[in-house]
Amino acid sequence: AQSVTQPDIHITVSEGASLELRCNYSYGATPYLFWYVQSPGQGLQLLLKYFSGDTLVQGIKGFEAEFKRSQSSFNLRKPSVHWSDAAEYFCAVGAGAGTALIFGKGTTLSVSS
Amino acid sequence: GAVVSQHPSRVICKSGTSVKIECRSLDFQATTMFWYRQFPKKSLMLMATSNEGSKATYEQGVEKDKFLINHASLTLSTLTVTSAHPEDSSFYICSARGPNTDTQYFGPGTRLTVL
Repeated sequence: AQSVTQPDIHITVSEGASLELRCNYSYGATPYLFWYVQSPGQGLQLLLKYFSGDTLVQGIKGFEAEFKRSQSSFNLRKPSVHWSDAAEYFCAVGAGAGTALIFGKGTTLSVSS
Repeated sequence: GAVVSQHPSRVICKSGTSVKIECRSLDFQATTMFWYRQFPKKSLMLMATSNEGSKATYEQGVEKDKFLINHASLTLSTLTVTSAHPEDSSFYICSARGPNTDTQYFGPGTRLTVL
């Protein structure tokens, strides 16, 4: 079955510390992988996406993610977290960028000062 | 960037009434729109795919007679929750894909509360 697993429901990170959000997927075909961020009252914003090529992709707001096919993972990282990064983060997989997506349950990021 | 709006952002209705939610692509034409439902602490679940000028394709388990989707123009899709019940209370999110874009843009969502 096609699915996305985000093992961490809630993570708290100190401001300035590094961050890694985990994502594992199960998908029958070549996956298109995405990370979205959702803030209260805001729509989902695309942080980055991976289709092919370099397995380390750079996104907006200083985020990056690494695709590891052998581990079926697409973990999101940021070297130094800012208080404004506190939000809900969703990993998603699909057959293409403009296709319906399968989402993980999300990880809530809290940033402590 | 491309903007997708939803109206209303929040609606409260009585059980048994119908509620219409609009999804608009403001600066591009969207041949395809998707409707998702998000439960608290849960992921977004695809409800249906809407293509302009044709009938929506519903995901398994979604009642098409209860969740009516209309995509009559390239900038507007509507979701009507008919005879709403408290269990229909949820956060409904749409996304839109343009004909020449390789991505989709999400609306801010509509919070539906059925009393």
